[in-house]
Parts: sequence; C-alpha cells; structure tokens
Amino acid sequence: DTAVSQTPKYLVTQMGNDKSIKCEQNLGHDTMYWYKQDSKKFLKIMFSYNNKELIINETVPNRFSPKSPDKAHLNLHINSLELGDSAVYFCASSQVSYEQYFGPGTRLTVT
Amino acid sequence: AQSVTQPDIHITVSEGASLELRCNYSYGATPYLFWYVQSPGQGLQLLLKYFSGDTLVQGIKGFEAEFKRSQSSFNLRKPSVHWSDAAEYFCAVGGAQGGKLIFGQGTELSVKP
Repeated sequence: DTAVSQTPKYLVTQMGNDKSIKCEQNLGHDTMYWYKQDSKKFLKIMFSYNNKELIINETVPNRFSPKSPDKAHLNLHINSLELGDSAVYFCASSQVSYEQYFGPGTRLTVT
Repeated sequence: AQSVTQPDIHITVSEGASLELRCNYSYGATPYLFWYVQSPGQGLQLLLKYFSGDTLVQGIKGFEAEFKRSQSSFNLRKPSVHWSDAAEYFCAVGGAQGGKLIFGQGTELSVKP
C-alpha cells in the first residue's frame, strides 16, 4: 500500500528521445509536485498541481510538460531529452500544512 | 531571497555519540520548517516539522529539532546515533505559494562503528 509511487524507477534513454514518468498517490491529497534532484543532490521544485490545476511552474524548459488526469496522478513528459536532464525526479503530494510525502524517485540517465 | 543553508556538507560521528545538524533559513514570512532524510537510492522521508507553537519538536526515529527565530535556525539533534542513521539529511522551508519547499544542500551523515 505504497503512498506515493513512481514508474519507472530507472530510465535510460538517448538524447533527443521523448519519455514520460508516471506518479500516483493513494493518500487522497489535493496537491502534487515534481522535484528534480541533480548530481549534487540539490532538490528543486519544478511543478505543482492542485486539483488538476497547475499552480507552480518554476522556470522549467517547455520541453517538460506535466499532466494531471485526476488529482491522484501527475505525470511528467519530457521532449527532446538532453544530457543535462539526467537527474533523479521525485514526485510528492500533500494535503494541508505543506507536509509533503515523496515517492521513491525515478533516476533518468540520458546518453 | 528565500533560502536554506546547511553549513556542513558531510559529518561523521561515532555510533552512540550525539548528533547535531545545522540549518539556517531566510524566509520573508512565517516559515514552515521540515527535516527530511534520504537513504541511498531511496526517496525522502519526513523526520519532523515545525509550523507553530512549541519550538522544540519531536520526530520519528528519536530525532528532535529546535526552532530559534532570533537565529533563523532549525537544527536537528539526536542524543545517540545508530549505524542505520547514516543517510543524507535535508532541511527545507515552506510557507505560502502553494506549498513550494525550498531545500538546503543536504548534509551527509556517516556513522563510525
């Protein structure tokens, strides 16, 4: 009964490809997020959705497009992958008081 | 500007010794403060949080943290470290703006037997 799950856990792909990462939460939360963790382990928010509505978009290249089909799911699609996109991507969710629960992460490697 | 600073990139302590990880923040409004732990290859687990009230907060795994507004600090402590505590620890601050969290750079904790 995983609270926040992501698929896939690992993703290896070549430059120029398009890929998607899926996230699902079963906590009944209204808000979901995508964070990027770089090679130095620095975490930075990318997007936030509340009840399927985009509320945070942090200067992320428009090659990244989040999609929230319902409030339990937030997917991340990345077009034309670049070497610099290699990172660990974390999905998170929260309800009240900004207490965020994180998924296990997706390690993306672009070759 | 909003920011979180964790001055120590890497700390090594002996098993059974006490631990204090430092965190300083800069935030314009009332801060909501968090400590997360990340074990290798894993996601982030919430250790504890501070929203208001008692400035000493207790968390899971025997951790506690103290909010000091005058010093803009939220240091994490544990009286006796276990080998399983070896991990990366992140301090984070949030507030308004839809729950956006700003993370520190992380402190890697190693535990000597």
